[in-house]
Amino acid sequence: QQQVKQSPQSLIVQKGGISIINCAYENTAFDYFPWYQQFPGKGPALLIAIRPDVSEKKEGRFTISFNKSAKQFSLHIMDSQPGDSATYFCAAPGTASKLTFGTGTRLQVTL
Amino acid sequence: DAGITQSPRHKVTETGTPVTLRCHQTENHRYMYWYRQDPGHGLRLIHYSYGVKDTDKGEVSDGYSVSRSKTEDFLLTLESATSSQTSVYFCAISPRESPLHFGNGTRLTVT
Repeated sequence: QQQVKQSPQSLIVQKGGISIINCAYENTAFDYFPWYQQFPGKGPALLIAIRPDVSEKKEGRFTISFNKSAKQFSLHIMDSQPGDSATYFCAAPGTASKLTFGTGTRLQVTL
Repeated sequence: DAGITQSPRHKVTETGTPVTLRCHQTENHRYMYWYRQDPGHGLRLIHYSYGVKDTDKGEVSDGYSVSRSKTEDFLLTLESATSSQTSVYFCAISPRESPLHFGNGTRLTVT
């Protein structure tokens, strides 16, 4: 059973700042490691994902950094905006590619 | 949202009663999932399906059963609802093993 530890539980960042959320996993599966973004009353939406043979992936203001040897990966949100205020979940693939999710990080971007 | 409809959106039921939640997709994706979301636990996989009549258990399957008689429909049944099953339930679909799109959830309260 894959375990995924996500931190911090909550995060407050000023507009324009950098938001950083970290995740650590136990078992490596050659599949992709996704991040999901969830707004209140909505389901999680796939934000960005990375394969474990890549160390970094960038899409706009969102970057995933992946450290395979340390079994850690992180989400960086550059130039954070109030519209980024949401809950973010990381996930790691386990047996049969079934995802195990982190417990979530509630991000608040203040003006 | 990506052709996923969950019904009902909200339900209140009494302990011991059977409850069925429905997930309907219009994407013709092979994989369908049921997750529950609880504070402090993130998203946990209940059951998933990899084709019509092909289902398997997730990490929190006790007390739940599923059925998939058509590609587009995936039903989650609580045979005898308990208060511990009060949660928000999300359906997800994907053309591959990892969930790609989530529905907007069903909020279930068991009194």
